[in-house]
Amino acid sequence: ETGVTQTPRHLVMGMTNKKSLKCEQHLGHNAMYWYKQSAKKPLELMFVYSLEERVENNSVPSRFSPECPNSSHLFLHLHTLQPEDSALYLCASSQTGTGGDQPQHFGDGTRLSIL
Amino acid sequence: AQKVTQAQTEISVVEKEDVTLDCVYETRDTTYYLFWYKQPPSGELVFLIRRNSFDEQNEISGRYSWNFQKSTSSFNFTITASQVVDSAVYFCALSEAPGANNLFFGTGTRLTVIP
Repeated sequence: ETGVTQTPRHLVMGMTNKKSLKCEQHLGHNAMYWYKQSAKKPLELMFVYSLEERVENNSVPSRFSPECPNSSHLFLHLHTLQPEDSALYLCASSQTGTGGDQPQHFGDGTRLSIL
Repeated sequence: AQKVTQAQTEISVVEKEDVTLDCVYETRDTTYYLFWYKQPPSGELVFLIRRNSFDEQNEISGRYSWNFQKSTSSFNFTITASQVVDSAVYFCALSEAPGANNLFFGTGTRLTVIP
């Protein structure tokens, strides 16, 4: 089984829908991350959880709502999204959330399209 | 200001050629970490290497080598005898200081190896 698993791989939704992205890591890591990857832009860090506590929220609009019920699972709840939110959403994990030297391990991402 | 600059947006090489991907970073911290990641078409970012700011030794791993030069704030990545499987987008990233949760990514370089 791969280290970080994201579901679904692809998601198409209307602007009024509510959906959730799921991420699960099997590496025994204590920190998890959500990134947004848009075309021709650097990866944007959205949220960081360390030991199930949110430690970083990079000015993300409230239509994105993260949830980390335990150190292995991370969700991103979506509602009332805009067309500019269409992107690849990547989940990552690392051993700790307070060590900048820790490499992050990424999932395959969820390709989100907003109609 | 961009903390990590990858000036080469796209590079194409013929199989078996050597290719160097450039990365220039900007930081005021004396302790920092540099990373390279590979993103194949499947979407998952794959960790390749980490280098801390106190270790300027170049590193070689098979066909991959990295040249870290603090004097020019560069951390370049060379692939020798390129192969079609090397085709991917390569990202350079910077993490500042222990305790930092934020990885600053460059915009990536898309490498295409032509058979």
